[in-house]
Amino acid sequence: DTGVSQNPRHKITKRGQNVTFRCDPISEHNRLYWYRQTLGQGPEFLTYFQNEAQLEKSRLLSDRFSAERPKGSFSTLEIQRTEQGDSAMYLCASSLVGGRTTYEQYFGPGTRLTVT
Amino acid sequence: GNSVTQMEGPVTLSEEAFLTINCTYTATGYPSLFWYVQYPGEGLQLLLKATKADDKGSNKGFEATYRKETTSFHLEKGSVQVSDSAVYFCALSIYNFNKFYFGSGTKLNVKP
Repeated sequence: DTGVSQNPRHKITKRGQNVTFRCDPISEHNRLYWYRQTLGQGPEFLTYFQNEAQLEKSRLLSDRFSAERPKGSFSTLEIQRTEQGDSAMYLCASSLVGGRTTYEQYFGPGTRLTVT
Repeated sequence: GNSVTQMEGPVTLSEEAFLTINCTYTATGYPSLFWYVQYPGEGLQLLLKATKADDKGSNKGFEATYRKETTSFHLEKGSVQVSDSAVYFCALSIYNFNKFYFGSGTKLNVKP
């Protein structure tokens, strides 16, 4: 178990460009979550998957944002036509749900996006 | 709605001082409560949790008690160390833990 990993760790892009982030959860975890964290704030929920199914999306997730988890393992978060307001830390977390689980979410180190 | 309010930081203490970080919540259901810690350059780590009223979560000398009557989950530690310097987030989760609601975080600086 190597924990939750995210790539890249840092991304600088120009406004209007598309970006894609990847999250690799802990291997046996069936839930995967995406959060966004801006400076001085706590993480805000964006969306989550149970296996490959996307079960909930926040109002924060505009049409420019799309997330996938095609095989129920890794996930990608894509932002199209980036705006300066998209600059933030994007966090991924995973957990195991079902049976006698503790429902703890394990977080990755995050991808810091800067839109210039 | 669901929300978490934490005391604003930064909190600056000397080593071995007593720590309290206040956290209150509002919830539409019956929440579970958590404290997460974020050390510089690292991801969030679960520090402790409590899943029902009057439960006390504890870990690494930190404690927090789930107080339903005051809707609070204050974090305490009797004697802080320099290594406790980090940002602390209070969070709640309801409805089968499908998502968490986080407070804005409290930065703790501990001076030698």
